[in-house]
Amino acid sequence: AQSVTQLDSQVPVFEEAPVELRCNYSSSVSVYLFWYVQYPNQGLQLLLKYLSGSTLVKGINGFEAEFNKSQTSFHLRKPSVHISDTAEYFCAVSDRGGGYQKVTFGTGTKLQVIP
Amino acid sequence: EAGVAQSPRYKIIEKRQSVAFWCNPISGHATLYWYQQILGQGPKLLIQFQNNGVVDDSQLPKDRFSAERLKGVDSTLKIQPAKLEDSAVYLCASSFPGTSASGPDTQYFGPGTRLTVL
Repeated sequence: AQSVTQLDSQVPVFEEAPVELRCNYSSSVSVYLFWYVQYPNQGLQLLLKYLSGSTLVKGINGFEAEFNKSQTSFHLRKPSVHISDTAEYFCAVSDRGGGYQKVTFGTGTKLQVIP
Repeated sequence: EAGVAQSPRYKIIEKRQSVAFWCNPISGHATLYWYQQILGQGPKLLIQFQNNGVVDDSQLPKDRFSAERLKGVDSTLKIQPAKLEDSAVYLCASSFPGTSASGPDTQYFGPGTRLTVL
């Protein structure tokens, strides 16, 4: 079974400051990893995903994440946040088994950018 | 390209009543998902369709929830009868199936239906 832990339920940060949203996963097999963003009253939108290869993954809106297999982590970072980044961010994991691939989501981290 | 459409956007019902949600996926997307997102939690998969066949419904409370996708396009999710704990946002997503070698399919989400059960 796979699981995702997002330790921080809320992260306040001042505008133009850097931010890191933490994500740890658990799985008995190799995994794919994702970050999604959810703006108020909207559905989820894919920010970035790790499939294989380089452990540093770049996504949309200036976000990036680094896969660390030894620490089973996939933390999301942005060097300088904007007000428009205020949203909820979900980390998700899917195992690499063939055929059907189920995605499991974390509980989310609310990023509040303070002007 | 039109996104995933869902209706209604909001619904308020009393417990023991019935409710239905509708989803129209992105054109050409064979895979359709229904998720339940309770306040403060991440989305939980209820059911996944591949065309009009069910791939996974292991977390669907089948005594009260049902879903169908008769023509392999749009889908409805029904709750009958509703309980207080069913209050949540119900998200529909769709994806275009690739090969397992290309990694998991990117899911595109609709705006969701917020259900309040009183």
